[in-house]
Amino acid sequence: AQSVAQPEDQVNVAEGNPLTVKCTYSVSGNPYLFWYVQYPNRGLQFLLKYITGDNLVKGSYGFEAEFNKSQTSFHLKKPSALVSDSALYFCAVRDKGGGGYNKLIFGAGTRLAVHP
Amino acid sequence: NAGVTQTPKFQVLKTGQSMTLQCAQDMNHNSMYWYRQDPGMGLRLIYYSASEGTTDKGEVPNGYNVSRLNKREFSLRLESAAPSQTSVYFCACRGIETDTQYFGPGTRLTVL
Repeated sequence: AQSVAQPEDQVNVAEGNPLTVKCTYSVSGNPYLFWYVQYPNRGLQFLLKYITGDNLVKGSYGFEAEFNKSQTSFHLKKPSALVSDSALYFCAVRDKGGGGYNKLIFGAGTRLAVHP
Repeated sequence: NAGVTQTPKFQVLKTGQSMTLQCAQDMNHNSMYWYRQDPGMGLRLIYYSASEGTTDKGEVPNGYNVSRLNKREFSLRLESAAPSQTSVYFCACRGIETDTQYFGPGTRLTVL
């Protein structure tokens, strides 16, 4: 069965420092991986995805993620954190069923806190 | 375009009451999904619909029913609410050409 793990419940970073939010996956076949962000009292917003191609994927708001097949990881990164990046981040993997019933399997989420 | 809209935003029910959560999308997407979000558990899929007229169970369907009324609307019904159904509910949609799901703002439901 497909699954993702986010090993950290919370990540604390000082503003201006680089940030990393970790995600590891377990899939059969080629993985389709996603990052979503949830701001307080809001729905999830799509950040970026990896389907194929370059291992470094660039997304919204200056975020990027690095796909590492040997380590089965898809860590989210940003060179310089902003206080406004504080939110809940979810990693997800596509679980493809028959008939186009693509489903997403989500990790438990990592809360990012960026301190001034 | 509003994207994905959900009503109501908040709801408090008593155990045993019923209610329907509404979801509508104006993105002309075929697939729609209902998730629940609980602390420390991420999002779990309740039901999904690949296209108008079809629905299928997800990971946690017990206690829920759904209706895909047309391409735009996908409702979630709780026939007899239980405290274990206290959660935040999200609707999402996805087009055939993309693997990206787009989410509504959520409904926060409390069952007393």
